[in-house]
Amino acid sequence: QSALTQPASVSGSPGQSITISCTGTSSDVGGYNYVSWYQQHPGKAPKLMIYEVSNRPSGVSNRFSGSKSGNTASLTISGLQAEDEADYYCSSYTTSNTLVVFGGGTKLTVL
Amino acid sequence: EVQLVQSGAEVKKPGESLKISCKGSGYSFTTYWIGWVRQMPGKGLESMGIIYPGDSDTRYSPSFQGQVTISVDRSITTAYLQWSSLKASDTAMYYCVRRSSGSVFDYWGQGTLVTVSS
Repeated sequence: QSALTQPASVSGSPGQSITISCTGTSSDVGGYNYVSWYQQHPGKAPKLMIYEVSNRPSGVSNRFSGSKSGNTASLTISGLQAEDEADYYCSSYTTSNTLVVFGGGTKLTVL
Repeated sequence: EVQLVQSGAEVKKPGESLKISCKGSGYSFTTYWIGWVRQMPGKGLESMGIIYPGDSDTRYSPSFQGQVTISVDRSITTAYLQWSSLKASDTAMYYCVRRSSGSVFDYWGQGTLVTVSS
């Protein structure tokens, strides 16, 4: 069982927007603005998409955005494209001695 | 350009030892934590532990404490993950990562697939 809870799957049609949630506790997501999101295509290494809740690294499309409310963080992808089909993982700093916790991952299907 | 280049895939038998590597380049190696992340077949990401190359301060996630050893050789900007006695359940892809402030894993190695089978 992962420390952060994500939906197992989400789907959307090209051009639509989708949101993936990531629920933790006040010891991780809710307590710090240190939530990150990673994209992983099959057979590839994960790639950082969002850090510190809502910041995009250089080169990441502005179709990707992040937010947080209480113990739940969210990743929104607008204008869905076929290339967005991938697994998405959230992570957070945590006060527990695991240092960082991941969500279980969400498979995004572009219909 | 920041790069983390990992050693190649390994096939081992249960009980054997193994040390895999991760060479960092393109940045100040001693001023960023390096971490290791496990991904078992068809499963999610798990943080195993981190090491600070500047002083070799090492922290392990509880599930991995005593199961693996993380080390570093500053002279060749390389981090290591090693097992003294592999089990079939160690079969997984292992990624090294650069950890920035706020526990962000901003750069990832290409991964090393470890297969343990009799």
